[in-house]
Amino acid sequence: AQKITQTQPGMFVQEKEAVTLDCTYDTSDQSYGLFWYKQPSSGEMIFLIYQGSYDEQNATEGRYSLNFQKARKSANLVISASQLGDSAMYFCAMREGPNNQGGKLIFGQGTELSVKP
Amino acid sequence: DTAVSQTPKYLVTQMGNDKSIKCEQNLGHDTMYWYKQDSKKFLKIMFSYNNKELIINETVPNRFSPKSPDKAHLNLHINSLELGDSAVYFCASSLTTGKGYTFGSGTRLTVV
Repeated sequence: AQKITQTQPGMFVQEKEAVTLDCTYDTSDQSYGLFWYKQPSSGEMIFLIYQGSYDEQNATEGRYSLNFQKARKSANLVISASQLGDSAMYFCAMREGPNNQGGKLIFGQGTELSVKP
Repeated sequence: DTAVSQTPKYLVTQMGNDKSIKCEQNLGHDTMYWYKQDSKKFLKIMFSYNNKELIINETVPNRFSPKSPDKAHLNLHINSLELGDSAVYFCASSLTTGKGYTFGSGTRLTVV
């Protein structure tokens, strides 16, 4: 069965330092997509970054980068130069496809990140 | 301007009542979803509609009935609300494949 695992329920990081949030996944599909979302205390789900299984380069979006290691089935999120506003819950998610016409995302349990001043 | 908008943002209601949550997207996406986030913040798919056709119904009680009048709208009607239905419900939309997958701001449902 498809599964996403985030093993860090909570993490602390000092402001301006980099932090890595872990995510491992399990799928038998060759084609899939990996997503990271941020959920601040206000509750909305904010898209951060996407990695397709066939993408050869690791995805980057500003201060966010995805460390994609396909053989190890890991898709860790790296946040560089942490800011106080980065304090939030972070979710890793996977969508299988392209045959998955349902398009559902399977989510991990989340990691609560706290940035210290 | 909001890409995926859902209303209301908060809903407090008594057990046994019937309520609806509305969702609209202006992204031109062909697939819309309802997700439920429980008290432990775990997110799980409930329904998926592709071009108004129900694709996924993920073992949800039949008190929950989604309706998609067109590609841009997906509403969720809940009958006979129970205490256990209290949660945050998210609408989302996407293209069938690809990286665009956008969530609404959520509806916090509290059943008392």
